[in-house]
Amino acid sequence: DAKTTQPPSMDCAEGRAANLPCNHSTISGNEYVYWYRQIHSQGPQYIIHGLKNNETNEMASLIITEDRKSSTLILPHATLRDTAVYYCIVRVEDTGGFKTIFGAGTRLFVKA
Amino acid sequence: DSGVTQTPKHLITATGQRVTLRCSPRSGDLSVYWYQQSLDQGLQFLIQYYNGEERAKGNILERFSAQQFPDLHSELNLSSLELGDSALYFCASSVVPDTNTGELFFGEGSRLTVL
Repeated sequence: DAKTTQPPSMDCAEGRAANLPCNHSTISGNEYVYWYRQIHSQGPQYIIHGLKNNETNEMASLIITEDRKSSTLILPHATLRDTAVYYCIVRVEDTGGFKTIFGAGTRLFVKA
Repeated sequence: DSGVTQTPKHLITATGQRVTLRCSPRSGDLSVYWYQQSLDQGLQFLIQYYNGEERAKGNILERFSAQQFPDLHSELNLSSLELGDSALYFCASSVVPDTNTGELFFGEGSRLTVL
């Protein structure tokens, strides 16, 4: 099972910031938070990951709370092409190692 | 372009048949992962290989099998196909398999339709 919970859907106006929340209350101290997105039926695309410090790259920013129990992915200026399902993932450790388990994600609709 | 190549892109077959899906990972990546995504369903982890060895198993049916070859490409074999096997099958690769860090790079998927 996924170790994260996300709202099923969100709307955002084009040009505005999209803030996607994620709860991961059972995260361990050495576990990273990953974000991926899937546009329509394309292959999922890696966006960003972080441990405890806030991270930023050319696609997005990741804000992780001090207690690490939740995080927010920020798309600073959402465009119509950012409409996608966004997955917040904390890897699940198994006997064979870590597995990337996808939950239901958040379906983001960016509207003109 | 993620650098992960999957073939075929589309495949239509009949119930009871067997198909093979192929995946070429990014250059330098040693680990390959297979996921299944049925219509309106989430991504289900099937199986993972690292440098030719099975590393982790997920919700893979006994009718399905996979392997990773010495050149690191992987094949997912689906047999005795049922209507419910119709889905998108994604392959992903990464440099390292077991660590807590490192992103996965996904291919564009193979869409299987079972009639």
